[in-house]
Amino acid sequence: QVTLKESGPALVKPTQTLTLTCTFSGFSLDTSGIRVNWIRQSPGKALEWLARIDWDNSKWYSTSLKTRLTISKDTSRRQVVLILTNVDPVDTATYFCARGGANYPGFYFDYWGQGALVTVS
Amino acid sequence: QSALTQPPSASGSLGQSVTISCSGSSSDVGDYNFVSWYQLHPGQAPKLLIFDVNKRPSGVPDRFSGSKSGNTASLTVSGLQAEDEADYYCSSYSRSDVVLFGGGTKLAVL
Repeated sequence: QVTLKESGPALVKPTQTLTLTCTFSGFSLDTSGIRVNWIRQSPGKALEWLARIDWDNSKWYSTSLKTRLTISKDTSRRQVVLILTNVDPVDTATYFCARGGANYPGFYFDYWGQGALVTVS
Repeated sequence: QSALTQPPSASGSLGQSVTISCSGSSSDVGDYNFVSWYQLHPGQAPKLLIFDVNKRPSGVPDRFSGSKSGNTASLTVSGLQAEDEADYYCSSYSRSDVVLFGGGTKLAVL
C-alpha cells in the first residue's frame, strides 16, 4: 500500500527558510522509474507544481521558484525533503507530496499525501 | 492566473454527463500527450483520474474519460453521481514550465 505523509512547521516567519519532509511507504526511491514531487495549493487558489526528484537523483524545479527551492532524498529513510528559502506570506499554502507516475516522463501524480498547511506570518 | 484555463464552475444533474475543458497552448497541451486530471474533495488527498490524456488508473470508474483536440483537453464525467461533486484540476507537461495546472473547476451535481 502506497502512502505519503508531509510534515513540517505549521507557522514560519517571513524571510525564514521552510523545510518540509515527505515520508513515504509502499515503494522505494532507489527503484528505477520512481519519482516524488512537491505541489502546493494556496487558500482558494489553484494547485502549483514545485519540484520533483527521481530515483537517479535527477531534479526538476518550477521555473518561477527554482532560485528558492531545493529538493533532496534520503532513500534509506524513505524521505524527500523540500527547502524553500526566504518565505513570504504568499507562500502560505497546503503543501502536498505526490508520487510521480510510472509512464515516461512521469509528470502526473498517482498517489498523494493529505497535505500540510504552512502559514507564513 | 493559471497557465491552463478551466471554467471556474460546471454543473449537471444526477445521471447526466458533464464535460470540463482545459485550454493550453502549443507549448504544453497542444504538443504533448501528457495531460492528467485530478479530483479534489475538501480535506482529502487529491485523486488521479486520468493520465496521458485518456488513460484511467485502475480503480477509477469508466464514467471518467479524457480526450484532447488541439490545445484543449477535456474531462467527461458520465452518469453523474452525488459523490462526483468536487473540484477538478487538469495538468500538463510544459516545454517551458515543466508542469502546469489549470485553475480548477468546481463541479456541482444538481
